[in-house]
Amino acid sequence: QKEVEQNSGPLSVPEGAIASLNCTYSDRGSQSFFWYRQYSGKSPELIMSIYSNGDKEDGRFTAQLNKASQYVSLLIRDSQPSDSATYLCAGPGNTGFQKLVFGTGTRLLVSP
Amino acid sequence: GAGVSQTPSNKVTEKGKYVELRCDPISGHTALYWYRQSLGQGPEFLIYFQGTGAADDSGLPNDRFFAVRPEGSVSTLKIQRTERGDSAVYLCASSPDGGDREQYFGPGTRLTVT
Repeated sequence: QKEVEQNSGPLSVPEGAIASLNCTYSDRGSQSFFWYRQYSGKSPELIMSIYSNGDKEDGRFTAQLNKASQYVSLLIRDSQPSDSATYLCAGPGNTGFQKLVFGTGTRLLVSP
Repeated sequence: GAGVSQTPSNKVTEKGKYVELRCDPISGHTALYWYRQSLGQGPEFLIYFQGTGAADDSGLPNDRFFAVRPEGSVSTLKIQRTERGDSAVYLCASSPDGGDREQYFGPGTRLTVT
């Protein structure tokens, strides 16, 4: 089992809808997770971090962490065409928190 | 303030040659990371520095890869005897410290080995 898994997509949503991106992880001891957005040809850009169970909201973004079920999600409200990108989930993995283990990313397409 | 910078942005080299990739982290960040990203994949960890020392080099694929950070700021990733399979985007990230803090990525260096 991969340490961090994501559906590669693409996930297609119309403009204005809620986009829901999901990620599962294998290490029950993981405490912190990060969501990065990556536009084609660009490097990953940190958009959300979450360190505790529950929800964390920042503008149109909400990150959710459920440690019991070992999943992390990212909700994007009022999706815009400019949100079209690949979203990478990252966690500390099984061997310590200093390095990040990334999923393969979910490609999001927001149609006008 | 200034973000993480990496040079060169693109590097094309012939198989068997030696290359150096440079990373300048965010000022004051003590933790520096190198990752490698292939098309369609997430970044893959290579090495982590805390200050001047390599705290974790478990991701380096083989002994052709080496990295240094002599003064605890700028880091250089060195690849000897490059192979076509080394072609990827090499990403550098920095973090305020080595804990489970946010990591901020530079723009990357696209390495192509012909």
